[in-house]
Amino acid sequence: KAGVTQTPRYLIKTRGQQVTLSCSPISGHRSVSWYQQTPGQGLQFLFEYFSETQRNKGNFPGRFSGRQFSNSRSEMNVSTLELGDSALYLCASSLVGTGGSYEQYFGPGTRLTVT
Amino acid sequence: GQNIDQPTEMTATEGAIVQINCTYQTSGFNGLFWYQQHAGEAPTFLSYNVLDGLEEKGRFSSFLSRSKGYSYLLLKELQMKDSASYLCAATGTYKYIFGTGTRLKVLA
Repeated sequence: KAGVTQTPRYLIKTRGQQVTLSCSPISGHRSVSWYQQTPGQGLQFLFEYFSETQRNKGNFPGRFSGRQFSNSRSEMNVSTLELGDSALYLCASSLVGTGGSYEQYFGPGTRLTVT
Repeated sequence: GQNIDQPTEMTATEGAIVQINCTYQTSGFNGLFWYQQHAGEAPTFLSYNVLDGLEEKGRFSSFLSRSKGYSYLLLKELQMKDSASYLCAATGTYKYIFGTGTRLKVLA
């Protein structure tokens, strides 16, 4: 069974631009969560989607948004990029959804650098 | 509020035993996960505790006390490849709250 895939793996953008990241979950997994990881803050929860609905959202500004498609693939978008958005963005899929007993499987991440 | 605390860094010697503690505070708590993350890689699942007590999985064991909001990960017979960050995560309704991770260095 293929793992979680994320594209692109690396991205360099300029302040003020916007970016879209993509995540394909493990086949059969309906929950997709997004995290931002930085050295000082660790893994910060962005949002979780389940069956195309956002079920939970972390404490990030409205510049961060996401969506999930009917095939469970998910995208997240960051508009008006700031230097502080430079981070590793991880996507994780789960069989049922966060909060339950099902572990999350993480993708390799997208390394975003904002200059 | 919601909060998870774990030590930032620990050092241990190959062959030794190390215990990584995690305290948490979150509403609607379901269970506690531990993940391992090697540098430059994605986190991978180690263990899950939902009931009080110790869960053993080979060289790794995890303990949970729901009443104390406390968990620990115990690594025995440390190997060099165990050098990694260890993340604890408390789960609640539709959410995962991760700690900042404990960076473990295993010395020869």
